[in-house]
Amino acid sequence: DQQVKQNSPSLSVQEGRISILNCDYTNSMFDYFLWYKKYPAEGPTFLISISSIKDKNEDGRFTVFLNKSAKHLSLHIVPSQPGDSAVYFCAGTPDSNYQLIWGAGTKLIIKP
Amino acid sequence: NAGVTQTPKFQVLKTGQSMTLQCAQDMNHNSMYWYRQDPGMGLRLIYYSASEGTTDKGEVPNGYNVSRLNKREFSLRLESAAPSQTSVYFCASKLQGVWTDTQYFGPGTRLTVL
Repeated sequence: DQQVKQNSPSLSVQEGRISILNCDYTNSMFDYFLWYKKYPAEGPTFLISISSIKDKNEDGRFTVFLNKSAKHLSLHIVPSQPGDSAVYFCAGTPDSNYQLIWGAGTKLIIKP
Repeated sequence: NAGVTQTPKFQVLKTGQSMTLQCAQDMNHNSMYWYRQDPGMGLRLIYYSASEGTTDKGEVPNGYNVSRLNKREFSLRLESAAPSQTSVYFCASKLQGVWTDTQYFGPGTRLTVL
């Protein structure tokens, strides 16, 4: 039972364009979400987070949108750069007292 | 400042062998974690230690044991390795035991059990 689903295993985007990575969750108790980025042979690194009291959080080129009614969140990267090529994981949790539940990841490839 | 370090980077075991994966952090973090990542799946928590002297089971603890040796070090032991434990293992740490805080990950240990 995958509570956090990233249905696109991979995504290819032209450099300079917008990258949109999607994540769906089934647990309506989830209240906090994080995105991590992972390069090959390295551990994941934190990218951006959002809590359910917001529907948008922005940090530079990265924006996360949360649609609680649809149980859906998305990560927008604008403009996409070659260094953004990586695997992106979303993770959710009901609150700070429970462990993170991770999606399977989406591999983003930025084409020059 | 090395962050989170893991040894070894790669390991091949035969079924039934034992081994210990080592993890150390130099960020003075209180909480440490062990995850495994399998193809097509997200990271799954094996064990965690919210603070020195405490350990708790995560989502997939069977077949593993852990030791929080001190504030810096958190080891993961496979007593009798099985092919199902072939995976990439990540250690992580963060300042305190709140799950919504940023975790800092090591580079991973790629383990193959034949």
